[in-house]
Amino acid sequence: AQTVTQSQPEMSVQEAETVTLSCTYDTSESDYYLFWYKQPPSRQMILVIRQEAYKQQNATENRFSVNFQKAAKSFSLKISDSQLGDAAMYFCAYRSAKLGSQGNLIFGKGTKLSVKP
Amino acid sequence: DSGVTQTPKHLITATGQRVTLRCSPRSGDLSVYWYQQSLDQGLQFLIQYYNGEERAKGNILERFSAQQFPDLHSELNLSSLELGDSALYFCASSVAGGLNEQFFGPGTRLTVL
Repeated sequence: AQTVTQSQPEMSVQEAETVTLSCTYDTSESDYYLFWYKQPPSRQMILVIRQEAYKQQNATENRFSVNFQKAAKSFSLKISDSQLGDAAMYFCAYRSAKLGSQGNLIFGKGTKLSVKP
Repeated sequence: DSGVTQTPKHLITATGQRVTLRCSPRSGDLSVYWYQQSLDQGLQFLIQYYNGEERAKGNILERFSAQQFPDLHSELNLSSLELGDSALYFCASSVAGGLNEQFFGPGTRLTVL
């Protein structure tokens, strides 16, 4: 079974600085997707960024980028120029891309990010 | 706004009771996923429906059941409730199953007293 581990329960960053959230995963599959979701105090789950395992290029969405290391099974999220609105819980998630797979997301425990003004 | 709606937003009930949570997927989405978010278990997948049929099961208790109706809305039924069932229940929808992006609803906060 696949597992996702986020080893940092809490992180803090100064406004306008850069922070990196860590995520490792375990799978025997070669085809899969990885995601970072943001959950602000409103509780809404918001997709931040996604990465296809077959792509070598790291995904980027504005101030958010990932460092995907397939061999190491590592998938970290870098937030540049942090803003107060980035304060939230961040969840790393895995989804199999295997044909016929269920398609459900497997989540890590989350990292609570605080942004200091 | 993801386009996925969930009702009610909050639900407070007593142990032993039964409740129904409702989810309306985005227009055009055929697949509905239910997830439970609790302090001790984190976010975990419960069950998936696709176009009215059960497609996949996760860590769903036997006391819990779900269905998807012809208009594609889905209901999650929780019975014989226990204190440990207190959690945030999310519904997510996607165009189809498998690889399509899942869009999450705002969740239903269930408190069992």
